[in-house]
Parts: sequence; structure tokens; C-alpha cells
Amino acid sequence: AQTVTQSQPEMSVQEAETVTLSCTYDTSESDYYLFWYKQPPSRQMILVIRQEAYKQQNATENRFSVNFQKAAKSFSLKISDSQLGDAAMYFCAYRSGREYGNKLVFGAGTILRVKS
Amino acid sequence: DAGVIQSPRHEVTEMGQEVTLRCKPISGHDYLFWYRQTMMRGLELLIYFNNNVPIDDSGMPEDRFSAKMPNASFSTLKIQPSEPRDSAVYFCASGGSGANVLTFGAGSRLTVL
Repeated sequence: AQTVTQSQPEMSVQEAETVTLSCTYDTSESDYYLFWYKQPPSRQMILVIRQEAYKQQNATENRFSVNFQKAAKSFSLKISDSQLGDAAMYFCAYRSGREYGNKLVFGAGTILRVKS
Repeated sequence: DAGVIQSPRHEVTEMGQEVTLRCKPISGHDYLFWYRQTMMRGLELLIYFNNNVPIDDSGMPEDRFSAKMPNASFSTLKIQPSEPRDSAVYFCASGGSGANVLTFGAGSRLTVL
């Protein structure tokens, strides 16, 4: 079974600075998708960014980008120019390419605190 | 599109009572998932449906939990009888076969006293 590991329970960043959240995963599959979800205090789960494993280019969404290292099974999230609204719990998630229904396996999450 | 709609947002009940959580998925989505979030165990998949048919219920903790999807626009998760250890946030999420994105509802926070 696939597993997702987020080794940083909590991170802090100064407003306007850059922070990187780590995620590693374990799988024997070659076709899969990776996601970062954000959960603010409202507890709504919000998709931040996604990456298809077959794509070598790292995904980018405005201030959010990933560093996808397929061989190392690593999928880190970089947040540039951090804002107070970025404060939330961030979850890394994995989906098998054989699963058509977006069944996700989540990591334990990383709490991100943004200091003003 | 109103997104995935869950009710109630908050539920406080006493041990032994029946609890029913409701979910309306996004129209056109043919997959529906129920997740549970706790501090100890994080986000766990309880069960998911495809075209209203349960596909995998291996995450359902025990017989006290049951889920149904009578039609494409409605699903329920029922706990009977409820226990304090069932206290958690329960999320419903839906997705389409052709998409790679899962959309979550706002969650139902359950407290069992």
C-alpha cells in the first residue's frame, strides 16, 4: 500500500519570506498523481497544486511551486512571498494512476504559521 | 456550482444516539468519498462510491458505521450507536472520472459526549 510521510509537524515563516514543506511517499507504481491541499482554520480542504508523475516539469501556481523528485520519491511545496493567509495545515496526498476515482492517501499534515 | 454540500456543520450528541451526516456532491461527479479526520489518525478514507455503488468500505471502522448513496445527488453516513471515540470531523468529497481533482465539502464536526 502507498504511504505518504510529512516529517515536519510544524513550520514557521516570516511574512514575505519563502518556506518549503517536505513530503515523501512510497509506491511501486510509475503512474500516479501528487497533490498539496491546504486546510485553513475554517477546515475547508482547498487544492493548492497537483503534479502528474509522468511530467518532468515541476508544477507552479502563482506563489506555490513544487520540487518533484521522482527517483527520490519526494514532493516538496515551496511557498514564496508568504502571506498571513497562507497560515494553515498543509496536506500532501497521493493518488494511484490506476484509480479513476481520485482515491487519495494523505500525509499527517504540516501546520504552517506565518509571522508578521 | 455550490460545491460539495454537507450537513450538519456541527453535531453534538450523547453516547448511544444515532447520528446521520449528509452530503450532496457536485452535479456530474460520479465518485463520492467519505473521510474522517482526527488528531490521532489524520485523514482516513472510510468508504467511496462510484455511480452510487459502494466500491471500497474497508475503512469503515465497525458495524456501527454505515453509508448509503440512494441517488447521484445524495449520500448519508450513519453511526448507530455513537461513541465518544467517533468524535471527529467527517468530510465528504466528490470527483469525476475524467478529472484529477477531488473537491471537498466543508466537513461535519461531530462531538459525542
